[in-house]
Amino acid sequence: GAGVSQSPSNKVTEKGKDVELRCDPISGHTALYWYRQRLGQGLEFLIYFQGNSAPDKSGLPSDRFSAERTGESVSTLTIQRTQQEDSAVYLCASSLVRADSSEKLFFGSGTQLSVL
Amino acid sequence: GNSVTQMEGPVTLSEEAFLTINCTYTATGYPSLFWYVQYPGEGLQLLLKATKADDKGSNKGFEATYRKETTSFHLEKGSVQVSDSAVYFCALSPSNTGNQFYFGTGTSLTVIP
Repeated sequence: GAGVSQSPSNKVTEKGKDVELRCDPISGHTALYWYRQRLGQGLEFLIYFQGNSAPDKSGLPSDRFSAERTGESVSTLTIQRTQQEDSAVYLCASSLVRADSSEKLFFGSGTQLSVL
Repeated sequence: GNSVTQMEGPVTLSEEAFLTINCTYTATGYPSLFWYVQYPGEGLQLLLKATKADDKGSNKGFEATYRKETTSFHLEKGSVQVSDSAVYFCALSPSNTGNQFYFGTGTSLTVIP
């Protein structure tokens, strides 16, 4: 497709269950980002992949959160033993990379996660 | 470190009013600056950007000027419309971190007829 695709669009889970969120970036985009947006709040950086470099995991809030990316394609964000405070919209974005850092992000529509 | 501070919302304006949403930043080096917009029910999308000092980004009647001396990138529009109702995010990408992005907390704008 032409844009960043995320699935599922909505996920309802029970506290303590594991969830996997998927992101398909735009083809050719070497950079991929995961952000979390809690209701009424701003974007919280989670993790950043750039090509074959080691990912920047500095934003992951706990060891229950992990993410993988295979090459320059699909990424999966996994949340283990979900808690109610994990309820949020999880946004994925991708971009090309330019030396002057001026390249824009293309965002997916997000996955709305609700933990009951 | 790198960070963005944005004007707290929500902001409510009447149609045709003048809009300013303040944004200041802290960054190492010479970052690129962005405004992203999130319309109701839609994903974030780029509104405008500026890549160096004194550059002015503009789109859809919105403007923002990269002010290095005041480390600011305030968003302005001379006459807002109901269709401008959205959440606006200021963001920066430092020049030395390989395309990392830092976002402000967002400012919700509602324009009433």
